[in-house]
Amino acid sequence: ETGVTQTPRHLVMGMTNKKSLKCEQHLGHNAMYWYKQSAKKPLELMFVYNFKEQTENNSVPSRFSPECPNSSHLFLHLHTLQPEDSALYLCASSPAETGTYEQYFGPGTRLTVT
Amino acid sequence: AQSVAQPEDQVNVAEGNPLTVKCTYSVSGNPYLFWYVQYPNRGLQFLLKYITGDNLVKGSYGFEAEFNKSQTSFHLKKPSALVSDSALYFCAVRDGLAAGNKLTFGGGTRVLVKP
Repeated sequence: ETGVTQTPRHLVMGMTNKKSLKCEQHLGHNAMYWYKQSAKKPLELMFVYNFKEQTENNSVPSRFSPECPNSSHLFLHLHTLQPEDSALYLCASSPAETGTYEQYFGPGTRLTVT
Repeated sequence: AQSVAQPEDQVNVAEGNPLTVKCTYSVSGNPYLFWYVQYPNRGLQFLLKYITGDNLVKGSYGFEAEFNKSQTSFHLKKPSALVSDSALYFCAVRDGLAAGNKLTFGGGTRVLVKP
């Protein structure tokens, strides 16, 4: 295991639902990331947080709302999603946003929007 | 701008044979290069990275990669493939001149090792 956990592992939601994805890292890292992995598309960076502050929003639609209450926890709040938002959502962490650190990934949440 | 390309969608190799997964990159400054592996229903696992120094980098599970600046490549290699190496492999790059730790990933190469 990488020290990064994600819940739930699988989620099916309707387009009018509101749900949240949770990520927790036990590595003492200060930077956390949300990625979207769709079939036949490269991994897409969505958001970056460094010391709880958002430092990157990669033109993500407002129906995705991140929250980082502390350096160990990261949430992705979902509302009024579209079927094309179905994907594997990966959380990652690294010691800091700067430097030459590799990122450690969680197992992902497989999201299906119906 | 930074970009990375993995020219092969899939690589097939017999168990015991050498395995190579190709990666080329483009950056403005010095490249920081990474390889990750993803097994089914799992997240990405870090294999190795090149930051500076020796062009041959050794990583986890017997994998190594060779940085070639003139060819802007960072191919992943394993001398003798195992069936358990069957997975999806991602190359990633970060431009040393860029602020932050924003990685750009390639599209991935699926490796199938047959017994």
